[in-house]
Amino acid sequence: DAGITQSPRYKITETGRQVTLMCHQTWSHSYMFWYRQDLGHGLRLIYYSAAADITDKGEVPDGYVVSRSKTENFPLTLESATRSQTSVYFCASNKGPAYEQYFGPGTRLTVT
Amino acid sequence: SQKIEQNSEALNIQEGKTATLTCNYTNYSPAYLQWYRQDPGRGPVFLLLIRENEKEKRKERLKVTFDTTLKQSLFHITASQPADSATYLCALDMSGGNNRLAFGKGNQVVVIP
Repeated sequence: DAGITQSPRYKITETGRQVTLMCHQTWSHSYMFWYRQDLGHGLRLIYYSAAADITDKGEVPDGYVVSRSKTENFPLTLESATRSQTSVYFCASNKGPAYEQYFGPGTRLTVT
Repeated sequence: SQKIEQNSEALNIQEGKTATLTCNYTNYSPAYLQWYRQDPGRGPVFLLLIRENEKEKRKERLKVTFDTTLKQSLFHITASQPADSATYLCALDMSGGNNRLAFGKGNQVVVIP
């Protein structure tokens, strides 16, 4: 039972490049989330999805795009990466409100 | 604006003692509050959820209290062990039940053998 996985685990890219971070969960959870974690800011919600084809912005959505064509996948795309997007990105999923969130192992992204 | 505050200073505690962490929030009345543990280089792991109508919740050596009047949650680790060393995050649904959590910045605990 793989649970929730993220790929790649580490990525170095250049400013202006497009980057896609992948997230896959095996529980068929309705909700999926993308967070970024930076020193001094803690975890901040980028985007979330309540079901396939339903996505909405979180606290810090600028510069990011998401899609959710299948329940189990929730990719996050940085259309034109900037240095300020250097961060650790976590994907999470859960069944719904008041349920625990399950987090992936994270992707450490460095934009040079 | 809504705020969640956790102590930014690490808590150093002797093995066997009780560690107590505080989570304060402002400008909201969440229906529930969650606590997560995060180890370096890993994603957060859920520990406990407490609802607004619950005063206290326990799980093994962990205890959480929730005071909606004070807008505060306390997280206790009793009989602390070196393996409890980690960062602990509190999280609240500040979206009116729409399943969007806001996290505190976390409080590091270091248990000294």
